[in-house]
Amino acid sequence: GAGVSQSPRYKVAKRGQDVALRCDPISGHVSLFWYQQALGQGPEFLTYFQNEAQLDKSGLPSDRFFAERPEGSVSTLKIQRTQQEDSAVYLCASRLGWAGSTDTQYFGPGTRLTVL
Amino acid sequence: EDQVTQSPEALRLQEGESSSLNCSYTVSGLRGLFWYRQDPGKGPEFLFTLYSAGEEKEKERLKATLTKKESFLHITAPKPEDSATYLCAVQAYGVSGGGADGLTFGKGTHLIIQP
Repeated sequence: GAGVSQSPRYKVAKRGQDVALRCDPISGHVSLFWYQQALGQGPEFLTYFQNEAQLDKSGLPSDRFFAERPEGSVSTLKIQRTQQEDSAVYLCASRLGWAGSTDTQYFGPGTRLTVL
Repeated sequence: EDQVTQSPEALRLQEGESSSLNCSYTVSGLRGLFWYRQDPGKGPEFLFTLYSAGEEKEKERLKATLTKKESFLHITAPKPEDSATYLCAVQAYGVSGGGADGLTFGKGTHLIIQP
């Protein structure tokens, strides 16, 4: 079956531009996560959705970062006024189970964002 | 604060040379410990979940074990296709006892298997 897909795969932005990154989770998965992975580092948690509800946004680094999942399926991570330190790979993951579940999180291929 | 430390950072082995990767963790309460494999330019690929000390899981040439403070990923007679970065992550209970769903990852071990 289809896995988690993300688009675009690569994005180059000039400093100060706004960007939107899209995630299509596995069909039927209740939970959706966003992570940020800097070069040579492990992924770092950004935010978590259960269906359309954003239950945890404790990892968002600043108020320039905003995520939504309005119909409980596709999610968008938006970064406003991008800065060079935002350059990273943004990973999306989905999980079948509800909050507190230890079901596997399945990751997409990521979007590599480069801010010039 | 939950912490995950992986060692070594990098490891180069000859084909067939067995070894182990270490993942040390500090959490308020462990819900699960996850091992992933990540190839360059790709997202992490799930390998194992371990839940309690003493648990072991195996898949082909890989075996994961768990104690109260650390996990090991044992690689037996590795092949060049086992070359990848191996990531360890924990899912912890929240401070109040509720679920904390985001995973906390280590920096990974970059494994190279030479033919």
